Amino acid sequence: QSALTQPASVSGSPGQSITISCTGTSSDVGSYDLVSWYQQHPGKAPKLMIYGGNKRPSGVSDRFSASKSGNTASLTISGLQAEDEADYYCCSYAGRSTWVFGGGTKLTVL
Amino acid sequence: QVQLVESGGGVVQPGGSLRLSCAASGFTFSPYVMHWVRQAPGKGLEWVAVVSHDANNKYYADSVTGRFTISRDNPRNTLFLQMNSLQSEDTALYYCARETRGSYFFDNWGQGTLVTVSS
Repeated sequence: QSALTQPASVSGSPGQSITISCTGTSSDVGSYDLVSWYQQHPGKAPKLMIYGGNKRPSGVSDRFSASKSGNTASLTISGLQAEDEADYYCCSYAGRSTWVFGGGTKLTVL
Repeated sequence: QVQLVESGGGVVQPGGSLRLSCAASGFTFSPYVMHWVRQAPGKGLEWVAVVSHDANNKYYADSVTGRFTISRDNPRNTLFLQMNSLQSEDTALYYCARETRGSYFFDNWGQGTLVTVSS
């Protein structure tokens, strides 16, 4: 149950696009289309942003999208806005009824 | 609306025990799979445990297996986490999270309860 690998930080200017990678193994990200992404603002609970690889819950902006290639999933945020500044976590089902999170990425909007 | 409210956190000495609760409201509790996820201070999220909708199946992260027990009381709409043999590494904010059966993601989270293991 090793954590998925995410960059510690990414940054971008308002209006730009950024991508956060999430690298796992053939036992988790590579085996299932079951990666989800969560946004967490300081002092707040995580919020679901993407599920099932690339689906958005109702109410989440279509500026958020995701994809997967092999053992690496990616979250893209387009048209960056100040309120997007937060920590982002990927999570993958890892088989045998276990889940694994990424280490988290701090997004700074410059 | 969906509400998950954790309680039971506090300061405990190494080797001690604590029981966390998560009170659910605003939805029918029994059909949902429930999880505990924790976050050490300044660190990332770590999945801890899951219990099936009917409490018949329970699974744990390697880091807590044998020390933590997840359970639920469907008539009382409450999720529990019994934590024994606590270690300093268990210091964290503990969140309960809801999963629609078979979805494999967490669609609602509580605000967390803080557990501090310290002498």
